[in-house]
Amino acid sequence: RKEVEQDPGPFNVPEGATVAFNCTYSNSASQSFFWYRQDCRKEPKLLMSVYSSGNEDGRFTAQLNRASQYISLLIRDSKLSDSATYLCVVNKGYSTLTFGKGTMLLVSP
Amino acid sequence: GAGVSQSPSNKVTEKGKDVELRCDPISGHTALYWYRQSLGQGLEFLIYFQGNSAPDKSGLPSDRFSAERTGGSVSTLTIQRTQQEDSAVYLCASSLNMLETQYFGPGTRLLVL
Repeated sequence: RKEVEQDPGPFNVPEGATVAFNCTYSNSASQSFFWYRQDCRKEPKLLMSVYSSGNEDGRFTAQLNRASQYISLLIRDSKLSDSATYLCVVNKGYSTLTFGKGTMLLVSP
Repeated sequence: GAGVSQSPSNKVTEKGKDVELRCDPISGHTALYWYRQSLGQGLEFLIYFQGNSAPDKSGLPSDRFSAERTGGSVSTLTIQRTQQEDSAVYLCASSLNMLETQYFGPGTRLLVL
């Protein structure tokens, strides 16, 4: 099993749609979880951290399921500007963070 | 405040030449990372520095790759005898410590002809 696994997509959705991505991780001792966003030919930027209790930031909701070892990102009311690649990031125990290969989202008019 | 900066932004070199890529982390960040990203691929971890500890070099793909971090701040990634497969975007990131949010620089786009 890969350390961090994501469906590469692309997810094609119309504006206003709700879309959800999952990410699975292999290390049960992982403690830190993040979602990053990467626009085409740009560097990754932090979208949000993922807390055990789940957290919400505007249209974005992140959740953690430790039992099944996955995190999720829900985007409501999709905007054209949400089109990007979403990277799942997990720490490797007490070492560095591991990035998934990303899920591409394309929001169309 | 200033973010992570990298130079050069673009580098074109000939196969067999050596290249040096520079990263200036955010001031006060003790952790510094190097990644590379080939076209359409995910981030590949290369090396990680945390304070004065020995760097984690586990991601370096070959002994042609090396990196140093002087004075706990600026870092240089050196690729010796470049090969065409080294062509990629080399990204540097820094964080307050190893489990905190990583902030990325704009990257250096390396093309080996």
